[in-house]
Amino acid sequence: QVQLVESGGGVVQPGKSLRLSCAASGFTFSNYAMHWVRQAPGKGLEWVAAISYDGSNSEYADSVKGRFIISRDNSKNTLYLQMKSLRAEDSAVYYCARVETVDILTGYFDYWGQGTLVTVSS
Amino acid sequence: SYVLTQPPSVSVAPGKTARITCGGNNIGSEPVHWYQQKPGQAPVLVIYYDSDRPSGIPERFSGSNSGSTATLTISRVEAGDEADYYCQVWDGSRDRVFGGGTKLIVL
Repeated sequence: QVQLVESGGGVVQPGKSLRLSCAASGFTFSNYAMHWVRQAPGKGLEWVAAISYDGSNSEYADSVKGRFIISRDNSKNTLYLQMKSLRAEDSAVYYCARVETVDILTGYFDYWGQGTLVTVSS
Repeated sequence: SYVLTQPPSVSVAPGKTARITCGGNNIGSEPVHWYQQKPGQAPVLVIYYDSDRPSGIPERFSGSNSGSTATLTISRVEAGDEADYYCQVWDGSRDRVFGGGTKLIVL
């Protein structure tokens, strides 16, 4: 069965960096585009970033562009989100999610991880 | 920027029909997907491409999309349907992919 397991969350000071990971199993990871979606406490879902099946193309929400980098290692079936210059407003549960297509910015999220909490606070 | 507008909450009695709307400029021209999220859990896909249901989702869940409004309809509402529901659209604008969410309250 498809499993997505996020890790790497925690408490970090403003301005610092953090890297999230998402370990995928139960499907051919290299055949699917992948995304990060976040949810601030008590708030709605916010799309963060996407990467194509082969890592050749990526897109970002304006709120994180220039600070976050999405990447993937298909040999390790793992998705990453490198977050830099973190702000209080980046505090959220971060979900990795699969879309049913190879392309980014299309399709629907058919599988989600359980999320990892990032808290940016001094 | 493209805005997806959902009512903050919808209340319905058990056994009745709930309709949750997602408004957007000419949203009928784009595929709309819907997610259910219960407290402390990850979202779950309940409707994709306007009206298709994933396996395991009850037939009570249906969707439509036309003009400026997409609608998620839940028939014969049960207590277990109480959750937040989000619509999702890809329109080329990266700053609004999800609607703001609607809390379904089962009275």
